[in-house]
Amino acid sequence: EAQVTQNPRYLITVTGKKLTVTCSQNMNHEYMSWYRQDPGLGLRQIYYSMNVEVTDKGDVPEGYKVSRKEKRNFPLILESPSPNQTSLYFCASRLSGGGDHEQYFGPGTRLTVT
Amino acid sequence: AQKVTQAQTEISVVEKEDVTLDCVYETRDTTYYLFWYKQPPSGELVFLIRRNSFDEQNEISGRYSWNFQKSTSSFNFTITASQVVDSAVYFCALRTFTNAGKSTFGDGTTLTVKP
Repeated sequence: EAQVTQNPRYLITVTGKKLTVTCSQNMNHEYMSWYRQDPGLGLRQIYYSMNVEVTDKGDVPEGYKVSRKEKRNFPLILESPSPNQTSLYFCASRLSGGGDHEQYFGPGTRLTVT
Repeated sequence: AQKVTQAQTEISVVEKEDVTLDCVYETRDTTYYLFWYKQPPSGELVFLIRRNSFDEQNEISGRYSWNFQKSTSSFNFTITASQVVDSAVYFCALRTFTNAGKSTFGDGTTLTVKP
């Protein structure tokens, strides 16, 4: 089944404790992206990757890191999480960086930072 | 800069009513792509439709229809004869040709359809 998977689905952590949210897609998509969803703010883009080893900042990159060493994986790293990073996170992929392809979203990761 | 405005934060209708969700976008690009996504209460995000800036043809898919008007920079979504299963948050999104990596989403409209 074609899908985007994220792990963990739920995470409660403390301020300053490094964490990684994994994202993997099995559709051989070139493009991947991370978003955060907060009440009343829609989805805001954190980082995106047009292809392997190519990443770029979205609208809210502060406090996050990403890497794209393999086509299928695009982990989101919070080196020192803070309470304002409590949010619902979505990973997405699409066929390529260009064109009008739609995005396929993972199930979401609900992160709470205390 | 690009922007998407969904002015309706919440809409509540009774089943079988028609409802239109508004989406207004801003971009200086002449080539761009518009999308609608649905987020049901279960939380996943589901693609509904895409539109290219050079294709102003409206589309109908069952009870769903979309009206794209470049003159007013709008891409509105109408649900005819709404059903309880249509209850969800709906997002409109914009991507441009020159900045293809970035997607801008509206804040979403929460639609509640009451039986």
